[in-house]
Amino acid sequence: QSVLTQPPSVSGAPGQRVTISCSGSRSNIGAGYDVHWYQQLPGTAPKLLISGNNNRPSGVPDRFSGSKSGTSTSLAITGLQAEDEADYYCQSYDTSLSGWVFGGGTKLTVL
Amino acid sequence: QITLKESGPTLVKPTQTLTLTCTFSGFSLSTSAVGVGWIRQPPGEALEWLALIFWDDDKRYSPSLKNRLTITKDTSKNQVVLTMTNMDPVDSATYYCAHRLGGSSSGGTFDYWGQGTLVTVSS
Repeated sequence: QSVLTQPPSVSGAPGQRVTISCSGSRSNIGAGYDVHWYQQLPGTAPKLLISGNNNRPSGVPDRFSGSKSGTSTSLAITGLQAEDEADYYCQSYDTSLSGWVFGGGTKLTVL
Repeated sequence: QITLKESGPTLVKPTQTLTLTCTFSGFSLSTSAVGVGWIRQPPGEALEWLALIFWDDDKRYSPSLKNRLTITKDTSKNQVVLTMTNMDPVDSATYYCAHRLGGSSSGGTFDYWGQGTLVTVSS
């Protein structure tokens, strides 16, 4: 049972927009801690996709964006491409656990 | 550029102690606010944070595994070592080390990751 809750899977056709939600609580996202998103392609290590709620590291396309509201955040992917098919994880910090926490991951399928 | 690489045994027996080494380059663990963490991922499952060590030797552990974990650093060798005692088959996973980016001792993100090392626990 992950501290941050994500849908197990989402899907969309090429060119479409999809969103992945990440829900937390008052001890993590609601406490003001930033949420970060990672993309994990099959058989590879996670890669930082969005940091600090909506900052893209160099090289990440602007098709990826993040937003935060209260104790929830979302990752949006526009102009869906086949290469976006991957697992996506949200991550934050939890003050009750005094540690870093991840969501359960969401598998994105490009139809 | 920042790189990290994990090393250690690929197979351990139940009840044994696992020792993993993270060797990194491109940053110093003696620089203020720098941290290196360990995260694991059982096959087909989610990421789980295990431990993190800061530049000032401040150490943090996952509450659920705290009694089994020890994290240390060797700044001169650019290495971070994680030991996990009493290994069990459920501990079989890919273990990653990662550079933590953040300005304080809480929060922050893992901006660079090693390739991971798969550890199987089996007799």
